[in-house]
Amino acid sequence: QKEVEQDPGPLSVPEGAIVSLNCTYSNSAFQYFMWYRQYSRKGPELLMYTYSSGNKEDGRFTAQVDKSSKYISLFIRDSQPSDSATYLCAMSAETGANNLFFGTGTRLTVIP
Amino acid sequence: SAVISQKPSRDICQRGTSLTIQCQVDSQVTMMFWYRQQPGQSLTLIATANQGSEATYESGFVIDKFPISRPNLTFSTLTVSNMSPEDSSIYLCGGAHTEAFFGQGTRLTVV
Repeated sequence: QKEVEQDPGPLSVPEGAIVSLNCTYSNSAFQYFMWYRQYSRKGPELLMYTYSSGNKEDGRFTAQVDKSSKYISLFIRDSQPSDSATYLCAMSAETGANNLFFGTGTRLTVIP
Repeated sequence: SAVISQKPSRDICQRGTSLTIQCQVDSQVTMMFWYRQQPGQSLTLIATANQGSEATYESGFVIDKFPISRPNLTFSTLTVSNMSPEDSSIYLCGGAHTEAFFGQGTRLTVV
């Protein structure tokens, strides 16, 4: 079993839709959870960083962590064509950069 | 967060040769590391670059194949040695204080 599971998609939505991206994990020791956005031919860009359970909101983006279910989500409201990218979840048991485990990424396309 | 410059951005290399990738951060960072990103697969950590000492390699990666240097807190290099087509991948340099951030990546094709 992989440490982190992420549906690779691809996912296509119309502009303005609410997008839900999800990852599950198996290691209950994970405490630090991240979402990265990666545009084609670019490096991953950190979008959201959360510690432990709960929600975090930043503009149109909301990250949720449910440690009891070992499940994390990223919601994108009012999706825009510029949100079209691959979204990677990542997590670790130690401070956020040590021993990061990544999902395989979900490719999202927002159709104008 | 800090900005990472990575070069070359892409290269096509002959099998049996070596390529050195450079990574420059615009400010001092606690950690620097190297990842490999292959299509349809998770980012895989190759090694953590340690300033002034040998890098810490993950299982499946060895120093003879992927020698790494980190002479100071803002610069690191990764060499992919004796390349084969299986080494074709994107190689990402990363840095961190707490959260990890990445360079643009080097897209390597071995023919």
